[in-house]
Amino acid sequence: EDQVTQSPEALRLQEGESSSLNCSYTVSGLRGLFWYRQDPGKGPEFLFTLYSAGEEKEKERLKATLTKKESFLHITAPKPEDSATYLCAVQGGGSNYKLTFGKGTLLTVNP
Amino acid sequence: NAGVTQTPKFRVLKTGQSMTLLCAQDMNHEYMYWYRQDPGMGLRLIHYSVGEGTTAKGEVPDGYNVSRLKKQNFLLGLESAAPSQTSVYFCASRLPVGTSGGSSYNEQFFGPGTRLTVL
Repeated sequence: EDQVTQSPEALRLQEGESSSLNCSYTVSGLRGLFWYRQDPGKGPEFLFTLYSAGEEKEKERLKATLTKKESFLHITAPKPEDSATYLCAVQGGGSNYKLTFGKGTLLTVNP
Repeated sequence: NAGVTQTPKFRVLKTGQSMTLLCAQDMNHEYMYWYRQDPGMGLRLIHYSVGEGTTAKGEVPDGYNVSRLKKQNFLLGLESAAPSQTSVYFCASRLPVGTSGGSSYNEQFFGPGTRLTVL
C-alpha cells in the first residue's frame, strides 16, 4: 500500500524567511509525485509533477526536488500570499488511476 | 474553459435524507474522481471512473453511489445520509496515461468543493 507522510503539519514563517516542506513516501514503483496548493475553502491547485530521482522544478518562489524516498518543496523568500496548505501525492505502479495524498502542511507567512 | 465545476456549493441534510452531488468538466478528460476531505485525514478517494459508463470503488466507498452516464459528468449519491458523511467533497478529473505533453502520468484538476453537513 502506498503511503505519504508530510512534515511538518504546520509551519509559520516570517516574510522573507526561506524554508522547506518535506514529503516522505513509500510506493511500489513511483510513477509520479505531485505537489498541490490549497487555499482555504477552495480545491487543490496543481503546482508540480516530478517523475524521477534528481529531478527539480521551479515556479516563482517554489522549487520542488525528488529523491528515491522523499520530496522537498523549498520556499525562497516567501510572501504572505504563499500562505496555504501544501499537499503531496504519489502515483504508484500498482494503479494507473489513483493518487495517494498526504495530509498536508499548513504554511503561514507573516508580514 | 470552466474547468471542473461542482454543484451545489453548500448543503445541509438531515439524517436519512438523500442527495446527489454533480461534477462537470469541459476538458474532455477520461478519468474522474470523487474525494472527501476531513480535518486531519487528508483527501480520501470515494469512487472513480476511467470512462463513460464505468465506475470503481476507492478507499472509502461505503454509503455512496456514483454514475458516469456522460463523459463530462460524474454524479455522487448519498442514499441515506449519516452524520459521519459531514465533509467537504471534491471532484477531480484528468487525462489518461501518456496523452499530454509527453508526460506519462497527468495531474488531476480539482473542482471548488461542496461542503455538506448532515445533522
